[in-house]
Parts: sequence; C-alpha cells; structure tokens
Amino acid sequence: EPEVTQTPSHQVTQMGQEVILRCVPISNHLYFYWYRQILGQKVEFLVSFYNNEISEKSEIFDDQFSVERPDGSNFTLKIRSTKLEDSAMYFCASSDPHRTSRGGYTFGSGTRLTVV
Amino acid sequence: DAKTTQPPSMDCAEGRAANLPCNHSTISGNEYVYWYRQIHSQGPQYIIHGLKNNETNEMASLIITEDRKSSTLILPHATLRDTAVYYCIVRVAVLGGGSQGNLIFGKGTKLSVKP
Repeated sequence: EPEVTQTPSHQVTQMGQEVILRCVPISNHLYFYWYRQILGQKVEFLVSFYNNEISEKSEIFDDQFSVERPDGSNFTLKIRSTKLEDSAMYFCASSDPHRTSRGGYTFGSGTRLTVV
Repeated sequence: DAKTTQPPSMDCAEGRAANLPCNHSTISGNEYVYWYRQIHSQGPQYIIHGLKNNETNEMASLIITEDRKSSTLILPHATLRDTAVYYCIVRVAVLGGGSQGNLIFGKGTKLSVKP
C-alpha cells in the first residue's frame, strides 16, 4: 500500500527559529495538504496545494507559514519564527483526483513539533 | 466548523459489532459522508465513504438513512486494535479545478474496545 512519508518524526526547535517539515506524497497524487493537531485538540486544516499553487488555506495559515513543492516528489511546510503555540503534530496528506468521488485522503504519520 | 454530530465516546466488547452513529442533518445533495479514524497520535486513516447507498468494504459497513440526515458506521467484529477516535465528515467531492472539498474534522467518537 503506498504511503505518505513525513520527516522528521519529531523536531524540537527554539522559539523564533524557522523549521521546515518535509513530506513525500504518494507519487501519482496531485492534491497535497497540511493539517495540524495540537495535543488533545481537533485535527485542523491548514492548506491545500494543487498545480503548484495554494488552492485553499485556513485562517491559521498566516504569513508565518508557507508551502512549497521544490521538486517532483517533496512537499514542504515552512514555519518562520516559531512560537510556543506552534507546538503540535503536523500531518501531511495527499489525494488522487481520479478517485475524488470514491477514495479518500492518505495521511502521513506526522511530525511532532515542539517549540521550546 | 464540522457539520456533523457524534457522541463523544462509546465502549464495545471485543468481538462484538461496534455501531457508531453520526448526525448530519444539514447535508447537501452533493456532499458525501466520509469516515476516518485516528489511532492514538497517528495520522487519520480513511475507512469508508458513501453518498446515499449503503457501502461495505474490508474494514467496515456504512449505513446511510434514506433522508441522508444520519449514518452509522459498523465495525462487524471489533478488536482491541480498533480502539481509536472515529470521525464522521461530510464533504463535497469535486473533480478537477483545484478544490477537493477539504476535510474538516470535528471531535469524533472515542471508541474503546474492551476485552
């Protein structure tokens, strides 16, 4: 079964530093997403990405955040000047447009970001 | 905000069927019902989805009422490994155009399968 791969699994960073979270979506998927989950809270949508541009973003996804698909396989989330409240699990997901009405998203196992 | 209502928690005995209800009274005609689950802190896992007909796959069955205002996810023989938070999500599925009807998660139902 194809998987979405996220690295690192756990990252600790100091407040104010920049972090880049990396994801390798499933190879024939064209839609990519980032979600986050603060400990004990709901899974929250951050951003969706299609055709090399952001297609939708939530109000959480402010100027502190950016996404990029630097090559044909990676999808990254950059958080500039991290804050304590950015500590969360960050999940990457991808989906197959040809299964839009049949299948679902495939999520990665997440990156736990701890800002200290 | 999530457009679904689920009980916050349920218990089920191992080997018995787990029936997880979901209310989605404001569902639109072009919205599907999706079910995902999240085991501990892992990424959400797709289970099943449907529009109006009942659906079954290797993981579960989905029963959607005729008026589509509610549905039930059935795990026919629950095991300890089915202990997870189960999310019922309604979502528009749109082909192409860059919009896939993003998944909006609610609080879900925490299912505890007990020996």
